[in-house]
Amino acid sequence: GAGVSQSPSNKVTEKGKDVELRCDPISGHTALYWYRQRLGQGLEFLIYFQGNSAPDKSGLPSDRFSAERTGESVSTLTIQRTQQEDSAVYLCASSFQAGGIDTQYFGPGTRLTVL
Amino acid sequence: DAKTTQPNSMESNEEEPVHLPCNHSTISGTDYIHWYRQLPSQGPEYVIHGLTSNVNNRMASLAIAEDRKSSTLILHRATLRDAAVYYCILRETLRNSGNTPLVFGKGTRLSVIA
Repeated sequence: GAGVSQSPSNKVTEKGKDVELRCDPISGHTALYWYRQRLGQGLEFLIYFQGNSAPDKSGLPSDRFSAERTGESVSTLTIQRTQQEDSAVYLCASSFQAGGIDTQYFGPGTRLTVL
Repeated sequence: DAKTTQPNSMESNEEEPVHLPCNHSTISGTDYIHWYRQLPSQGPEYVIHGLTSNVNNRMASLAIAEDRKSSTLILHRATLRDAAVYYCILRETLRNSGNTPLVFGKGTRLSVIA
């Protein structure tokens, strides 16, 4: 079946511009996560959504970052006034619970380059 | 989530078994042991998870020490396609914690030599 998809796959922008990154989770998955991975580094958690609960925004690095999710489907991560340090691969994952475990399925990521 | 310790890198010859260790001496009774891997230029993918007993699936086996303070991911016959960074992650059962993000450490970079 279809996995998690993300668009665009690559985005090059100029410093100060706003960008929107999209994630289409696996149908039926109630949880959706955003992570960031800088070059040569590990994954950093940004934000996650679980059903109709308020999102956990504890990982967002600044108020320039925000995310929305429509019901249990598409999510958009927005970065306003991009800075060069925002350059990274942005990864989205979705999951469902079964037997007290949730297995996260990751998309291919969006590579963001801020010039 | 409790902390895990893994070697930075390991090397294996193709078609030989690979044993990737993970230490988690502060594991709690309700922590599951998860393994994910990240192939070059891809998002991470789930490999296997376990609680107390050893586990097998089509990708790998997970051997868990009796005291649960360490575990080993076993790839029975490494292929070039198995070259990746392997992450050992502890996660409390969702019944206690609800959904939580994965906390990725640095993982072990596995190189496979043809």
